[in-house]
Amino acid sequence: GIQVEQSPPDLILQEGANSTLRCNFSDSVNNLQWFHQNPWGQLINLFYIPSGTKQNGRLSATTVATERYSLLYISSSQTTDSGVYFCAVERPFYQETSGSRLTFGEGTQLTVNP
Amino acid sequence: ETGVTQTPRHLVMGMTNKKSLKCEQHLGHNAMYWYKQSAKKPLELMFVYSLEERVENNSVPSRFSPECPNSSHLFLHLHTLQPEDSALYLCASSQDDDSYNEQFFGPGTRLTVL
Repeated sequence: GIQVEQSPPDLILQEGANSTLRCNFSDSVNNLQWFHQNPWGQLINLFYIPSGTKQNGRLSATTVATERYSLLYISSSQTTDSGVYFCAVERPFYQETSGSRLTFGEGTQLTVNP
Repeated sequence: ETGVTQTPRHLVMGMTNKKSLKCEQHLGHNAMYWYKQSAKKPLELMFVYSLEERVENNSVPSRFSPECPNSSHLFLHLHTLQPEDSALYLCASSQDDDSYNEQFFGPGTRLTVL
């Protein structure tokens, strides 16, 4: 199956700092999502970004599908940004079948200190 | 975000009990999913339903029994579980479309098996 590697595994920042999280994947994909899991376990959708660049407030993401990686940028971090950030991908093979099948990375644990 | 709801949020059960987890989506989607998240592990896809038909069962033990009575509701019936089944169980839904299949997650049920 497809391999998804996220880096760094842990990141500690001071409030106001910027950061970049990386997601590498081993095969071509037709779906890539970034999620933030809060301390209560809820997965919050950040970006649906199989290719290109998107921005939403202080967050932005870029996926370079031909080079098999995606980056999540967090600017001016806040304590509420703390939690685990997951990248998840799906291979094009599954376009021929019903439903979607995401493979998740192990996540980046982000801690933002006041 | 109340697009996907799950009940109960917390469940403690003995190994001989029978219980059910419930998921409901209010997004008009036609595909639903069960994931398991164990401590220190990435999310693992358990079951996929598309148009109320099970289209994937990722080698999940028979003590987990899914049911999808309609496109808005998904259940996970549990019986004779083991302590290693303790985990966060997450439900998700998506619109099964060739060009767009972003998944949205519920808040999860935190299950403890004694």
